[in-house]
Amino acid sequence: LAKTTQPISMDSYEGQEVNITCSHNNIATNDYITWYQQFPSQGPRFIIQGYKTKVTNEVASLFIPADRKSSTLSLPRVSLSDTAVYYCLVGARGTGAGSYQLTFGKGTKLSVIP
Amino acid sequence: DTGVSQDPRHKITKRGQNVTFRCDPISEHNRLYWYRQTLGQGPEFLTYFQNEAQLEKSRLLSDRFSAERPKGSFSTLEIQRTEQGDSAMYLCASSSGGQSYEQYFGPGTRLTVT
Repeated sequence: LAKTTQPISMDSYEGQEVNITCSHNNIATNDYITWYQQFPSQGPRFIIQGYKTKVTNEVASLFIPADRKSSTLSLPRVSLSDTAVYYCLVGARGTGAGSYQLTFGKGTKLSVIP
Repeated sequence: DTGVSQDPRHKITKRGQNVTFRCDPISEHNRLYWYRQTLGQGPEFLTYFQNEAQLEKSRLLSDRFSAERPKGSFSTLEIQRTEQGDSAMYLCASSSGGQSYEQYFGPGTRLTVT
């Protein structure tokens, strides 16, 4: 399974843009990059997914360079409610036909400071 | 639809007892996943169903764990002869399948084995 590496923790002030970078050096050609957010005592929540270049939705942007060995999640103008753990995942084929596994690492704990 | 639901939310059991958890996915989702999460770690994949077929099972999953999805709707996860190391949050997620790794997670069942 493809492995991801991301910072253990980050601090940011309210209103700033936060960029969390994840490295995935052995990503497979057809794997997608997906980011999840998790608050304490809740299940993870899907944020964004991409394959290459840039993807933007209403909450975040995802930047993926041409070699796809890393990706950066960008959260514009964070607020206190963005304090959470953020996971970068690379999809990996499972053993069954059409199946896959999601491998979560330890994630990045983002703390937003007033 | 109100999302993925799990029952019970909390379970305390004595070592050696059997426990069963239930997950009700989003109704139109044909894929259902079980994860386990311990404090400070990301969710760990356990198993995955497409409709009623169990397509993927983690090699780390003990024989004491079994999951079913008999009619392709709700799923149950049973742990036999519980051990203290089984104490964790058990998360269920569902998805509509295809290429997307967008999964919708339930609130989890917190198991404490005494």
